Amino acid sequence: GNSVTQMEGPVTLSEEAFLTINCTYTATGYPSLFWYVQYPGEGLQLLLKATKADDKGSNKGFEATYRKETTSFHLEKGSVQVSDSAVYFCALSDKDNFNKFYFGSGTKLNVKP
Amino acid sequence: KAGVTQTPRYLIKTRGQQVTLSCSPISGHRSVSWYQQTPGQGLQFLFEYFSETQRNKGNFPGRFSGRQFSNSRSEMNVSTLELGDSALYLCASGPGTPPYEQYFGPGTRLTVT
Repeated sequence: GNSVTQMEGPVTLSEEAFLTINCTYTATGYPSLFWYVQYPGEGLQLLLKATKADDKGSNKGFEATYRKETTSFHLEKGSVQVSDSAVYFCALSDKDNFNKFYFGSGTKLNVKP
Repeated sequence: KAGVTQTPRYLIKTRGQQVTLSCSPISGHRSVSWYQQTPGQGLQFLFEYFSETQRNKGNFPGRFSGRQFSNSRSEMNVSTLELGDSALYLCASGPGTPPYEQYFGPGTRLTVT
């Protein structure tokens, strides 16, 4: 079946530190992969996506590369800001099952000034 | 383009009552998915509608139902509310065709007392 596993949080970093949030997936086919971000009291915002192996998604300084050989889609940012504090969700969509999405449990990021 | 809108944003109901939540997708999107988010269970998929037909369903009891109208707007209904139904209910819209992606609304916070 399909599933997404994220690293446990919370992750606490100082401003300008390097960020990595690990995400691995299990899928029966070749899914599309996504990172979403949720700020307190809000819904999820699409941060970036990759639709096939070796694709790199990027947005607002965040990057993630679709690695089929390691079934991973780790989120990285070179220099985090206090405003990046939020919960980050990794997700996959099952192309063979239309629009069914599978989400990880979320990783809370706290960035201190 | 206007984003996904959900109404109401907050709702307080009593055990045993029923509730209807509404979602208006992004213009042109034909797929609407619903999720329940709780601190303990995370994001759980309820169902997805595409062109007025339920295309995917999660593992929720029959008290949870939905529908989609010809203008792609969707409603979700929960009957005989239980305390455990207290959650943030998120609606997401998307094109419903590859590459699948979803855009979330701000959610409806339901509290059952």
